[in-house]
Amino acid sequence: NAGVMQNPRHLVRRRGQEARLRCSPMKGHSHVYWYRQLPEEGLKFMVYLQKENIIDESGMPKERFSAEFPKEGPSILRIQQVVRGDSAAYFCASSPSTSGRGEETQYFGPGTRLLVL
Amino acid sequence: AQKVTQAQTEISVVEKEDVTLDCVYETRDTTYYLFWYKQPPSGELVFLIRRNSFDEQNEISGRYSWNFQKSTSSFNFTITASQVVDSAVYFCALSDYGQNFVFGPGTRLSVLP
Repeated sequence: NAGVMQNPRHLVRRRGQEARLRCSPMKGHSHVYWYRQLPEEGLKFMVYLQKENIIDESGMPKERFSAEFPKEGPSILRIQQVVRGDSAAYFCASSPSTSGRGEETQYFGPGTRLLVL
Repeated sequence: AQKVTQAQTEISVVEKEDVTLDCVYETRDTTYYLFWYKQPPSGELVFLIRRNSFDEQNEISGRYSWNFQKSTSSFNFTITASQVVDSAVYFCALSDYGQNFVFGPGTRLSVLP
């Protein structure tokens, strides 16, 4: 019974490049959340998606960041033209909720550590 | 707006001591959920407990216990007889019904042998 999977676990990019982070939710889970954890800080919500829909992207920076959760395949968090300040751990979580995001426990993946040189 | 405060940035204890991690939350909702997560040095996030706002019963799971006090908006976490393996950052989180999921800044616990 695999948990939430994220890849890559570590990603190094130079300024200006694109970063693509993948998240496969737990089997049976249809809700995906992305969080960012800056060094020595707590987690900050970025975006909440269901299959083919963005439900809440209030935590996403307005530029350069996008997320999707297609009908088939993993959820993707895409960061275009990365800058040093994007260096962080990006966590994905999933839940099986059908009636409200807050009702269900979110199970987290191991995270992707992005380093921008 | 929801907010979670973990006033203790870092705590150090000696093995076998008891330690309590504080969590104070703010929300206008009557229905909400509180969580504790553990982040060991390896970096993953481990779910520990979920509590809904209608259930104020304290919970005990082995050496872990949680004290939910609605009157003071607190959801404190106690580790009894701490062990070195308990060393981690612990996050308290709040989720209202169908809306935001907010984490506190975390408390770094160091358990010394």
